[in-house]
Amino acid sequence: EVQLVESGGGLVQPGGSLRLSCAASGFSFSSYWMHWVRQVPGKGLVWLSRMNGDGSSTTYADSVKGRFTISRDNAENTLYLQMNTLRAEDTAVYYCARRGLYYYYLDVWGKGTTVTVSS
Amino acid sequence: DIQMTQSPPSLSASVGDRVTITCQASQDIKKYLNWYQQKPGKVPKLLIYDASNLERGVPSRFSGSGSGTEFTFTISSLQPEDIATYYCQQYDKNFGPGTTVDIK
Repeated sequence: EVQLVESGGGLVQPGGSLRLSCAASGFSFSSYWMHWVRQVPGKGLVWLSRMNGDGSSTTYADSVKGRFTISRDNAENTLYLQMNTLRAEDTAVYYCARRGLYYYYLDVWGKGTTVTVSS
Repeated sequence: DIQMTQSPPSLSASVGDRVTITCQASQDIKKYLNWYQQKPGKVPKLLIYDASNLERGVPSRFSGSGSGTEFTFTISSLQPEDIATYYCQQYDKNFGPGTTVDIK
């Protein structure tokens, strides 16, 4: 079964850091672009970042560029999101998602991990 | 960055009604527009990709059209299980703000 499972969320103080993980299973992880998307409860989806299969190419939304870093370990089938200098407005559910192999869509999503930035 | 807008922000319709949502991109995105459905408390689900291609297993009452900067998503006959928020997405990046659909 194709599956993505996020972890690493929690409560962090403003200015702090957190690293999210996304464990992939059931597919050839290194073949796929992987993404991070977040959603404030009750609000819309916000695309954050993507990385290609071998980790050589990354893209970020302007809102997180310079603060968040996407990375992956293909040997461990795991995607990461390092989040630094966190702000209250980063409070959200964070999803990892897989991009279709030959298409520009996100076809598999994890259930998300919740990040709360508060003092 | 390409910005996405959707209208209306919300709508209420009766079971069996035809429902239409529009999505506009700030630049030409050719055919690279996806539609997702998100039910309360659930993860987004891909419905339509490349503007008009129905994802496998998605009911045929859902359809999409458009290219360039103007796109349309249609539910031909609204069903109770279609209550959700629908998002467009350009390529594999920015999402529209969403349209919440409920039953009148």
